[in-house]
Amino acid sequence: DTAVSQTPKYLVTQMGNDKSIKCEQNLGHDTMYWYKQDSKKFLKIMFSYNNKELIINETVPNRFSPKSPDKAHLNLHINSLELGDSAVYFCASSPGWVRETQYFGPGTRLLVL
Amino acid sequence: DAKTTQPPSMDCAEGRAANLPCNHSTISGNEYVYWYRQIHSQGPQYIIHGLKNNETNEMASLIITEDRKSSTLILPHATLRDTAVYYCIVGDSGYALNFGKGTSLLVTP
Repeated sequence: DTAVSQTPKYLVTQMGNDKSIKCEQNLGHDTMYWYKQDSKKFLKIMFSYNNKELIINETVPNRFSPKSPDKAHLNLHINSLELGDSAVYFCASSPGWVRETQYFGPGTRLLVL
Repeated sequence: DAKTTQPPSMDCAEGRAANLPCNHSTISGNEYVYWYRQIHSQGPQYIIHGLKNNETNEMASLIITEDRKSSTLILPHATLRDTAVYYCIVGDSGYALNFGKGTSLLVTP
């Protein structure tokens, strides 16, 4: 069983479109995260949710909107996609709110043309 | 969170021990040292963490100096599958991991 799964694995789309990436964890964790890894391979936190509540919202354009329908899911919706949004997006989860071991998904590779 | 400094790249022969250093001279008393790695195109993977004492698990050993200003991750018998970018992260609380540039480890046959 996959612990942290993401769909889709690859996403190719045109500038200006709206797209969503889904993340699910079956570990029973309370905290979930979205990270972005750009072309230079830097991995940066975007958002964090604890028990469905937004905890971290880094300096991310408001075109990015996370949604957590329940503790096991954290989706990322992106409006008006731009070329600079091309990156690999990783979802992760951890048991609690104090910094603990994080378990990462396989990533979603987004290419905006 | 304290900053970390790691060499950009290292090589290691297969079967030998890989020793990956990390400097964290500004670490505070309640900050842990975490190690993650990222194998090409995969999500980061937790390896080990520690506060003061040396730690060992099935993947690696973590040696933290007495003054806690530096640490070394040891992969006792490196294999080709250990080729990855290794990240040393220091922090105490909060929700996010602050990944730096890491060390790109190449294990050669």
